[in-house]
Parts: sequence; structure tokens; C-alpha cells
Amino acid sequence: GQNIDQPTEMTATEGAIVQINCTYQTSGFNGLFWYQQHAGEAPTFLSYNVLDGLEEKGRFSSFLSRSKGYSYLLLKELQMKDSASYLCAVRKTGGFKTIFGAGTRLFVKA
Amino acid sequence: DTEVTQTPKHLVMGMTNKKSLKCEQHMGHRAMYWYKQKAKKPPELMFVYSYEKLSINESVPSRFSPECPNSSLLNLHLHALQPEDSALYLCASSQPDLLAGAFRDTQYFGPGTRLTVL
Repeated sequence: GQNIDQPTEMTATEGAIVQINCTYQTSGFNGLFWYQQHAGEAPTFLSYNVLDGLEEKGRFSSFLSRSKGYSYLLLKELQMKDSASYLCAVRKTGGFKTIFGAGTRLFVKA
Repeated sequence: DTEVTQTPKHLVMGMTNKKSLKCEQHMGHRAMYWYKQKAKKPPELMFVYSYEKLSINESVPSRFSPECPNSSLLNLHLHALQPEDSALYLCASSQPDLLAGAFRDTQYFGPGTRLTVL
């Protein structure tokens, strides 16, 4: 089968660092995406990993271990506007299909 | 420009109505998608068009009918919907990266149409 697991909710403090984990089991793997989605809005692209290792982009970093079926999104210097849902999504091989996890709702408090 | 536009933003319709959702992108992307998203749930893929041809239909009921008139436009025609079809309908587009592997492409989402079926 295919499964993508993320924590349902996380809370962190403004200025802190938070790590959102994602584990996946899919039939075929062709990359992992992280999207940010504010309530009632469309998902916006944050990062893409297809090889093992860390990709850094400003305050956001994403890590992938294909052998472990594991990724994380690291958010540094948290701001109140970072309060949103973070979706982990896996692109399957052989086509356009992308499977989304249920998302992690992040609450940033002052 | 990484913008995908969708109209209307909100739509309320009865179960006997016929309506259409529209999506447009001018990024030259050749893959376009329709997703359905219920509250606090992840987006669920409905249809994918690749180079204006229907590539994926995720066993969507026939009351949803997609159409891709050209490479920039994607429509979703709605007829005889049920109240449980009320959701946020998201359009996305991507450009298949033929060098890196045809499907290693990033999807860019439109703002969505919030549909309510009475």
C-alpha cells in the first residue's frame, strides 16, 4: 500500500526552530515535496528533494533519506506568519501522480 | 510569473444546476491538474492533463467532466452534484522536466474555488 505519515499538530515559539517529520511508504518514488498551506488558501511550494541529503533555502531546509523513507522540514527563526499547515507529498514513478500527506498544522505563539 | 488563476473564487449551486470551474496559467506548463480538498484533509487528485490529453482520471464520478481547450486553460464542468461534493477545488500546473526525469516537476497551485452544493 501507500502511506504518508506526519504529526497532526505542532506548536512552537516565535524565533525558535521547529522540525516537521514525514515518513512514507509508496510504490515507487520520484521525489518528495513540501508545501505550505494557510487556511482556505492554495498550497505553495517550499522544497523538493529527490536525492538524499539536506536542501537549504533561506529559513527553510528539507532533508531526505530514501533508504529510511523519511524526510523533515526545518523552519528556523519562526515567525507568526509561519502558522499554517505543512504538507508532505511524494511523487510516484511513471506518471504525474503525487500523494499528499494529511498535513501538519503548525501554531507559532508569541 | 508562477501564477495559476481560478474562477470563480466561490460558487454555490443546487443539485440540478450546471456550472463550470475555470483555470488558467501562462507559464507554458504542459501538465494541468484538478484536485479536490475537504476541510483539514490533503488534496486528492482528480484529473491530470498532459499536453492537452487526459492522462489520469482517478475514478472520478461522471458528474465531474474535465476539459482542456488549449495548453493554458483547464475547465471542470459540474452537473448534478451532491452536497458531499462541497469542497475546495484546486487547479495546479507543472512543466515536465524531460532532462531530470519526465515527472520530477513542481506543481504550482491556483487559489482554488470554494464550492458549496445545496
